[in-house]
Amino acid sequence: DAKTTQPNSMESNEEEPVHLPCNHSTISGTDYIHWYRQLPSQGPEYVIHGLTSNVNNRMASLAIAEDRKSSTLILHRATLRDAAVYYCIRRNYGGSQGNLIFGKGTKLSVKP
Amino acid sequence: ETGVTQTPRHLVMGMTNKKSLKCEQHLGHNAMYWYKQSAKKPLELMFVYSLEERVENNSVPSRFSPECPNSSHLFLHLHTLQPEDSALYLCASSQDRRAGETQYFGPGTRLLVL
Repeated sequence: DAKTTQPNSMESNEEEPVHLPCNHSTISGTDYIHWYRQLPSQGPEYVIHGLTSNVNNRMASLAIAEDRKSSTLILHRATLRDAAVYYCIRRNYGGSQGNLIFGKGTKLSVKP
Repeated sequence: ETGVTQTPRHLVMGMTNKKSLKCEQHLGHNAMYWYKQSAKKPLELMFVYSLEERVENNSVPSRFSPECPNSSHLFLHLHTLQPEDSALYLCASSQDRRAGETQYFGPGTRLLVL
């Protein structure tokens, strides 16, 4: 059970920002939100993660709602290379297991 | 390049064949994983190895047999597979099994069972 809910697909235009939503209404206090993406014909790759505060890195930004029941992955300027399936994953830091539980993710299409 | 390589990239085998998938990581990690990605289904964790010891087997049929001879190499031995086993098999590694450690994935082996 992935325990997160994401839209099946989204479309974006090249050079425009993309906001990918994720719902995790049953999140616990020790759960981090991780995002991975899977480009066509490749394995998944790490994008970003966070707990309570908004996070930025060279790939994306992560905005986490104040009640932590939802979050949004932000790609500031989508490129054709950002077309991929994006997975929002809860990871419990309170446990010792590092397993990733993948859901179906959101398939992002980027139009030129 | 993620530092995790998998061979072969593509494999076609009959149901009576025996084949092996190979994964190698060049990251100095201590944990390695096998995942299965079937069409229209989420990635499923199959096996987890930590310091060369199998620590998790997620109800995988015995026709799949993993082997981890050292911390850099992971194999998946296949025998008497079924057509429904056709899928993308992904290997991943992480520094250790602690929650929060980033996993690095290989490109996968696309398997077709005839």
